[in-house]
Amino acid sequence: SQTIHQWPATLVQPVGSPLSLECTVEGTSNPNLYWYRQAAGRGLQLLFYSVGIGQISSEVPQNLSASRPQDRQFILSSKKLLLSDSGFYLCAWSIKPHRSGVNQPQHFGDGTRLSIL
Amino acid sequence: AQTVTQSQPEMSVQEAETVTLSCTYDTSESDYYLFWYKQPPSRQMILVIRQEAYKQQNATENRFSVNFQKAAKSFSLKISDSQLGDAAMYFCAYRSWDNYGQNFVFGPGTRLSVLP
Repeated sequence: SQTIHQWPATLVQPVGSPLSLECTVEGTSNPNLYWYRQAAGRGLQLLFYSVGIGQISSEVPQNLSASRPQDRQFILSSKKLLLSDSGFYLCAWSIKPHRSGVNQPQHFGDGTRLSIL
Repeated sequence: AQTVTQSQPEMSVQEAETVTLSCTYDTSESDYYLFWYKQPPSRQMILVIRQEAYKQQNATENRFSVNFQKAAKSFSLKISDSQLGDAAMYFCAYRSWDNYGQNFVFGPGTRLSVLP
């Protein structure tokens, strides 16, 4: 079965420090990968998605970047964190759709709660 | 671009009663998927139920069922026999079918409280 691991679960960082959040998926190959941010009590904001190694699409211009160095690894980074980067970050994966009619949901990691001081 | 709207920021239901959460979406596509996710206080995103747009039959998962009205672009979630553990944020989500399927769109969420 497929699993998704996201770490760390909680992170407290000072303003201006770098960031690296990691997400890995097991049990599948060539997944679509996603990074979301969620402010407290709010919906999901898509930050980045990737359809393959080295292929990153950014949805929101910001202080963050993403990389996919391996097929099942997705990394969210920042060189200098801002106060506005605080939030709950979720990684997700899905298999690519096909015309078989099999539904293709996203599967989420447990999230990282990031606090910027 | 597709949009998903959940017009009820908060809802409450008495334990053992039934509640319906609304969701509407805007799209020009004919093939797509719809989902309801639940996010309890632990903040895990849990898939509750899914629906393919080409299927007329409404999806059902135990106490959870949907009312899918394709022409009206409506996808409501009904929770029967509500339990305390159903208290959570509920997100409606849309996924278009395309070659890569990267287009997921989430609604803003509805916070459901279950009263004992």
